[in-house]
Amino acid sequence: GAGVSQTPSNKVTEKGKYVELRCDPISGHTALYWYRQSLGQGPEFLIYFQGTGAADDSGLPNDRFFAVRPEGSVSTLKIQRTERGDSAVYLCASSLTGTQNIQYFGAGTRLSVL
Amino acid sequence: AQSVTQPDIHITVSEGASLELRCNYSYGATPYLFWYVQSPGQGLQLLLKYFSGDTLVQGIKGFEAEFKRSQSSFNLRKPSVHWSDAAEYFCAVGGRGFQKLVFGTGTRLLVSP
Repeated sequence: GAGVSQTPSNKVTEKGKYVELRCDPISGHTALYWYRQSLGQGPEFLIYFQGTGAADDSGLPNDRFFAVRPEGSVSTLKIQRTERGDSAVYLCASSLTGTQNIQYFGAGTRLSVL
Repeated sequence: AQSVTQPDIHITVSEGASLELRCNYSYGATPYLFWYVQSPGQGLQLLLKYFSGDTLVQGIKGFEAEFKRSQSSFNLRKPSVHWSDAAEYFCAVGGRGFQKLVFGTGTRLLVSP
């Protein structure tokens, strides 16, 4: 595809449920990033992958959050036992080269935990 | 610690007037600086970036930004605002290589007729 694709665009779930959010990066981009944007805030870093491995997961808030990128392309962010405080827009970005660190963002998944 | 401050939460500008959005950063090494724009329900679109060299950088949609190392600032400017520029603007800082970006809290731009 032409850009970063995120599905679903909206997800409503109940407190305590498990959710998966998907990100399909720009073809050929080796790095993939997840950010979380709460209402009225800027995006906050969660995790980034270089290829299949998580190179930096320092932004994951707790062990309920987990992300994978098994084949070095599509990534899935997984949230267990969702809480109302997890409600936010989850943004995915990808980048091609490391030297310039230009990250291209998808439209995001809006997660609402009731 | 890395941080970005955007002191203006909201700014209202008349259509056709000039615009300046402020951004101050704190970063321990040579910063890579970015401005992104976000329209409602949309992702972030890159307006412009600064890596090195000329401190005045040009971006898309007629925007420019000036890097001032002595002031740790990277303010965004546009000489004449259009109604379609109404959106939220985010300044971000990162480093060389594959690294996370640290974003400010954003400035919401309103354009009045």
